[in-house]
Amino acid sequence: KQEVTQIPAALSVPEGENLVLNCSFTDSAIYNLQWFRQDPGKGLTSLLLIQSSQREQTSGRLNASLDKSSGRSTLYIAASQPGDSATYLCAVLGGGADGLTFGKGTHLIIQP
Amino acid sequence: SAVISQKPSRDICQRGTSLTIQCQVDSQVTMMFWYRQQPGQSLTLIATANQGSEATYESGFVIDKFPISRPNLTFSTLTVSNMSPEDSSIYLCSVEGTATFGYTFGSGTRLTVV
Repeated sequence: KQEVTQIPAALSVPEGENLVLNCSFTDSAIYNLQWFRQDPGKGLTSLLLIQSSQREQTSGRLNASLDKSSGRSTLYIAASQPGDSATYLCAVLGGGADGLTFGKGTHLIIQP
Repeated sequence: SAVISQKPSRDICQRGTSLTIQCQVDSQVTMMFWYRQQPGQSLTLIATANQGSEATYESGFVIDKFPISRPNLTFSTLTVSNMSPEDSSIYLCSVEGTATFGYTFGSGTRLTVV
């Protein structure tokens, strides 16, 4: 059974810092990996999608990498802003499961 | 990417009653998914719904408790039946991903059972 782990569980940093969120998964037979953002009490907003054949994807200040063989992905946020405060979820498709398998998320607070 | 309209956005319900959550998609999709997010937890897949067939439920979820309808390729409902306070969660629907945009989610239904 696929398991997804996110580290750290929570992170609080001053505005302007660059930061890295980590995601690991147990079964490397994935089709893709997707990073989401969730604001309190809200649904999910897709940030980046990385196909299993890709190594990284970039969107604005966000960069996500994927090392499928080692079962790891990182989400890099450059020049963090208070508006980046949210919970960031990593999810994988594949590894024997229907639908996405999610990690528990990293709760990020950017201090003004 | 597909746009999903989910409602209600929130509700407070009495124990023992049922609530039906609706998701409308702006395009035809084969597979729709229903997730539950318990307080402080991540998302757990409840079931996969394909049009014209019975939903497939994940371990720990049963049809009597979470009946699902999928009458066409743009619409699905999830009912939470005979509710108890333990059913208090956010429920989200999702549609199958594309190679470009991945999976899309509805805005969620925050359910509180009292």
